[in-house]
Amino acid sequence: GAGVSQSPSNKVTEKGKDVELRCDPISGHTALYWYRQSLGQGLEFLIYFQGNSAPDKSGLPSDRFSAERTGGSVSTLTIQRTQQEDSAVYLCASSGRTTFHTQYFGPGTRLTVL
Amino acid sequence: DQQVKQNSPSLSVQEGRISILNCDYTNSMFDYFLWYKKYPAEGPTFLISISSIKDKNEDGRFTVFLNKSAKHLSLHIVPSQPGDSAVYFCAAIHGSGNTGKLIFGQGTTLQVKP
Repeated sequence: GAGVSQSPSNKVTEKGKDVELRCDPISGHTALYWYRQSLGQGLEFLIYFQGNSAPDKSGLPSDRFSAERTGGSVSTLTIQRTQQEDSAVYLCASSGRTTFHTQYFGPGTRLTVL
Repeated sequence: DQQVKQNSPSLSVQEGRISILNCDYTNSMFDYFLWYKKYPAEGPTFLISISSIKDKNEDGRFTVFLNKSAKHLSLHIVPSQPGDSAVYFCAAIHGSGNTGKLIFGQGTTLQVKP
């Protein structure tokens, strides 16, 4: 069984450009999470999807950040008009409905904004 | 406001000895705690967890202790092995809401010397 996959693994972009990061969760997992890890920091919660419920967007740092999850599976995190402070590793995780505390993480996307 | 804190950024121990990683939290609403382990260029992997109704949970070489009155938890690794060298993150969850939103500490880098 495949784990959580993310693409691209690395992304370098210029300030002001939009970027899209993709996450494929483990098949059958109903919950999907996005976190980010800035240099020297812990993991920071961004957004959470659970089934068909409204997502918990409480961790998104600004309205330049958005995410969607299509068909209850693949998720895309979009950052518009990127800023240098957006540079970080963006991590996606998924979990089963009743085992939400045991989250399985992907390898992350390293975003560098020049 | 750092709700979960790992005050030691790094720890070095000799192979075969005990490694003790510490974590403090401020929010008394947290009722589930987890430790994740992260190797470079990989996503975090779940290691061990503990519910707030317990004070100890053991899994092989790994034991987590919870002291609710002190809002403190620790991870003990005995005996430590060179393959344990990684970054260890402490995380906590709010019980109510069942969102699975993990609040992470900053991480402690463990180096186990042969």
